[in-house]
Amino acid sequence: SAVISQKPSRDICQRGTSLTIQCQVDSQVTMMFWYRQQPGQSLTLIATANQGSEATYESGFVIDKFPISRPNLTFSTLTVSNMSPEDSSIYLCSAQQGSYEQYFGPGTRLTVT
Amino acid sequence: GEDVEQSLFLSVREGDSSVINCTYTDSSSTYLYWYKQEPGAGLQLLTYIFSNMDMKQDQRLTVLLNKKDKHLSLRIADTQTGDSAIYFCAESLFGNEKLTFGTGTRLTIIP
Repeated sequence: SAVISQKPSRDICQRGTSLTIQCQVDSQVTMMFWYRQQPGQSLTLIATANQGSEATYESGFVIDKFPISRPNLTFSTLTVSNMSPEDSSIYLCSAQQGSYEQYFGPGTRLTVT
Repeated sequence: GEDVEQSLFLSVREGDSSVINCTYTDSSSTYLYWYKQEPGAGLQLLTYIFSNMDMKQDQRLTVLLNKKDKHLSLRIADTQTGDSAIYFCAESLFGNEKLTFGTGTRLTIIP
């Protein structure tokens, strides 16, 4: 299975600022994804991070708010821009290995004050 | 659209079997997954089943799939305190696409 790490593991940020979350996979993977898990809720897909092209965003998420980079097959970043308290969530990246196994990082716990 | 439902809570005595249920609406689902989330942790892939299978067993875990009723279950035999967690079922349409998650079931073990 793929081993995925995220940085930072948690952060407390002031409203109006931005935070970039890093996701590193220990092997090359075809697909990487970013999810949000709001307090006490399930996971919602933000976007698919495409290597070498723009990310594919889900309904309700836009590039200006959540810019994503994926410079190679093992690394991706998600930026949460112009944060508000409603952005307080756990942000998880995942990676698809093979055709059906999707593994998750430990998550980044973000609190916006 | 895709919709995945689970009951929110389940309490089981230590040593008993736990059965966590999940229903989904999209008959095009091809892969169905079970993930475990312990407090303060990310998601751990427990097991998955292809839609052309009815059952899959992996040590203490048994997955049953009823395609006609669009019902998926996860049975944990001999439930232990370490099994306390939130369990999410998830589906994907082609196995190479986004996952749609259920609401999660919080499993509590009673000593």
